[in-house]
Amino acid sequence: SAVISQKPSRDICQRGTSLTIQCQVDSQVTMMFWYRQQPGQSLTLIATANQGSEATYESGFVIDKFPISRPNLTFSTLTVSNMSPEDSSIYLCSVEDGANVLTFGAGSRLTVL
Amino acid sequence: KQEVTQIPAALSVPEGENLVLNCSFTDSAIYNLQWFRQDPGKGLTSLLLIQSSQREQTSGRLNASLDKSSGRSTLYIAASQPGDSATYLCAVWVKGQNFVFGPGTRLSVLP
Repeated sequence: SAVISQKPSRDICQRGTSLTIQCQVDSQVTMMFWYRQQPGQSLTLIATANQGSEATYESGFVIDKFPISRPNLTFSTLTVSNMSPEDSSIYLCSVEDGANVLTFGAGSRLTVL
Repeated sequence: KQEVTQIPAALSVPEGENLVLNCSFTDSAIYNLQWFRQDPGKGLTSLLLIQSSQREQTSGRLNASLDKSSGRSTLYIAASQPGDSATYLCAVWVKGQNFVFGPGTRLSVLP
């Protein structure tokens, strides 16, 4: 299965700033997903990022707040913009390996003060 | 829209016990079901994948079953160990909805 490197692993940020999370995969994949996991909650899909097209956002998530880049088949970034304490979460990158199997990165734990 | 639930929400057992975690989904039109483990503050590790045409999968002390018609899956952990302590999540792959996750079961295995 694919190996995913995600960074930063954790960060503490000030309100109003932005943070970009990077996701690097060791093989070419078509579909990459970005999830958010708020404290004590399960995973919520933010958006699906396919190379060469705009990301598809789920209900409740907008591009201005969570812009996503997908420049090639092995890399993607998620930016959390104009952060507030409510954005404190674990953000997870995942890929689908072509056989409908999900593989996850280690996650980025974000704390907004 | 597909909804996934997991019972119990939390479970605490003494070391050595066999245990069962339950996952239910509302729409049987799934492609597959996957069980994950998540350690506190970490990402998810895939444990078992069951395709929609399969009834069960086994890996070591773990056995997962799938009954699509009733919308249920169970994860059986044999001879539990303190290292099994984690949150266990199930997820179903649904056409048009990608993966839908359950809320998880938080497991504590006491030495």
